[in-house]
Amino acid sequence: NAGVTQTPKFRVLKTGQSMTLLCAQDMNHEYMYWYRQDPGMGLRLIHYSVGEGTTAKGEVPDGYNVSRLKKQNFLLGLESAAPSQTSVYFCASSSGDATNEKLFFGSGTQLSVL
Amino acid sequence: AQRVTQPEKLLSVFKGAPVELKCNYSYSGSPELFWYVQYSRQRLQLLLRHISRESIKGFTADLNKGETSFHLKKPFAQEEDSAMYYCALLNTGGFKTIFGAGTRLFVKA
Repeated sequence: NAGVTQTPKFRVLKTGQSMTLLCAQDMNHEYMYWYRQDPGMGLRLIHYSVGEGTTAKGEVPDGYNVSRLKKQNFLLGLESAAPSQTSVYFCASSSGDATNEKLFFGSGTQLSVL
Repeated sequence: AQRVTQPEKLLSVFKGAPVELKCNYSYSGSPELFWYVQYSRQRLQLLLRHISRESIKGFTADLNKGETSFHLKKPFAQEEDSAMYYCALLNTGGFKTIFGAGTRLFVKA
């Protein structure tokens, strides 16, 4: 049972380059999330989705775009990477069941922008 | 605005000593609070949630609405408890979880 799978695991970009991070979940979860993890700042929510075809902004959305064309996939795009986007990115999903809500996380993507 | 504050970035204790990881929150509604843990080379995972009122791996956490706190406690720390701990709050709509900055617990032999 794969759970939440993120690709790639590592990536180095030059300033101004673009890339897409892919998150896939096989638990039929409605909700999906992208967080970034930075030292001393914890996990901050970038964007999230409460269902196929829907997306919404989180705490730190600037410089990122997302798409949820299929229920199982949630893509995070960086159109023009900046050094400030160097971080570890985590995807998470949840069922949306308020009585048993918990997040399932991917293993993370370490991104460096030079 | 909802906010989760973990005042300690690093907490170091000896094996067998009691441990308390502090968490305070600000939220206008009725909060649902969680502790997540990230062990070395493992994924972030749920440790416990306040609504379950459970003890996991010897850890407990009590929601104190008067003090707006949700501190994580364990009476006798073990070396395998060394990890990064995040306090988190789920909003009323139930679809957005906000995390604190995290506390790294180091249990010394």
